[in-house]
Formats: sequence, structure tokens, C-alpha cells
Amino acid sequence: QKEVEQDPGPLSVPEGAIVSLNCTYSNSAFQYFMWYRQYSRKGPELLMYTYSSGNKEDGRFTAQVDKSSKYISLFIRDSQPSDSATYLCAMSSPSGGSYIPTFGRGTSLIVHP
Amino acid sequence: DAGVIQSPRHEVTEMGQEVTLRCKPISGHDYLFWYRQTMMRGLELLIYFNNNVPIDDSGMPEDRFSAKMPNASFSTLKIQPSEPRDSAVYFCASSTNRNTEAFFGQGTRLTVV
Repeated sequence: QKEVEQDPGPLSVPEGAIVSLNCTYSNSAFQYFMWYRQYSRKGPELLMYTYSSGNKEDGRFTAQVDKSSKYISLFIRDSQPSDSATYLCAMSSPSGGSYIPTFGRGTSLIVHP
Repeated sequence: DAGVIQSPRHEVTEMGQEVTLRCKPISGHDYLFWYRQTMMRGLELLIYFNNNVPIDDSGMPEDRFSAKMPNASFSTLKIQPSEPRDSAVYFCASSTNRNTEAFFGQGTRLTVV
């Protein structure tokens, strides 16, 4: 079993839909939880991060962490075609003073007009 | 800063040939990561350096893979001899100490025929 599990999709939704992306993990030491967005033929870019449990909102995006269930989510409201990308969850714990991220496989999201 | 710079962007080589991938991290970043991304396995950490010193190479798949970081502004990932199963996108990323965000380059798409 991988440390971080993520359904690769693809997930296809109509424009304006609410999107829910999820990851589960097994390492209870993870403290930072991140979502990266990767457009086709590009490198991943950090979208949001949260520390420990709770919610964090940034515009149309909400990240949610439930450490008791080892489950994290990213919600996208009013989804747009420009949101079409692969979304990778990532998690990290302190290792020698830094935080080395472990990534999920990524979920491919397609928002069609 | 131009971000993390990788070269070449694309590489097509014949099985058995030596391949060298190059990376220039963001100036001032003291962590450098090499990742490999495939559809089947997602984004896998191969090796990371801290202050030019290799810290963890447990993700390097075989002895055919080697990585160096001769100075703070340059790193290489070498595959010798290359095999078709090495075909993937290889990403270099860098970050600072105690910073959870990793900044990725555009990647090198390697095809071994």
C-alpha cells in the first residue's frame, strides 16, 4: 500500500459544477497537507497548503483535512474550463529540519463548457 | 528569478545509450529534488540533496541511475545504460529549509527506444 492514495480519474464535470478531489494516507506523522496543480506538459505548482486539521479557503478553492480519518479533500466551486488539470495531493512531516513531500498519483480533472 | 531550469526539455535516445539530465535550482534554495513521473506510478522521489550533499537516494531504481550536485547551482541525473522502461518525465524541484513548497521545473520528457 502506498503512503498516499489518490484516484487518478479522469473526473469530467460541466462548467459551474462543484468538484471534490480526495486523498487518503497512512502515515500519521504527516503534518503539512498540500495540493499541487499540474497543467499538461508543465511542472506541478503549489495551489494550497494546510497545517494539521481543519479547513482553508482561497477564492473558489477549499482544502479540508481530517487527520482522524487520514483523509484530505480539495473542493472547487463554480469550476471553470481553465481548472482542467491534474491535481496532486502531497503531504510531509519533519525530516532533518525540512519537509520532504510525498505525492499522490494525481487526479485528472476535465471541466467542459 | 527564472525558476527551476531543466534541460533538455525532450530527449529521445536508443536503448543502451547514456542520458544526462540537467537542473539549475532557484538561487538561494538549499534543497534539490529529482522526481520521475509516469502514468502508472505517478510522481516518485528519486533522490534529494541538502546543501549539495545527497541525503536520501533510496528512490533511485537501480545502479544505472546516478545523481550529482557539484555546486549550489547545478545538478545532473545520469542514466547509463538507458532502457525503454526508463521512459518518463523527470522533474527537478528546489525548496528552502523549513519551507513546505517545492518549486518544480518544466521537466524533461525522456523516451528510450
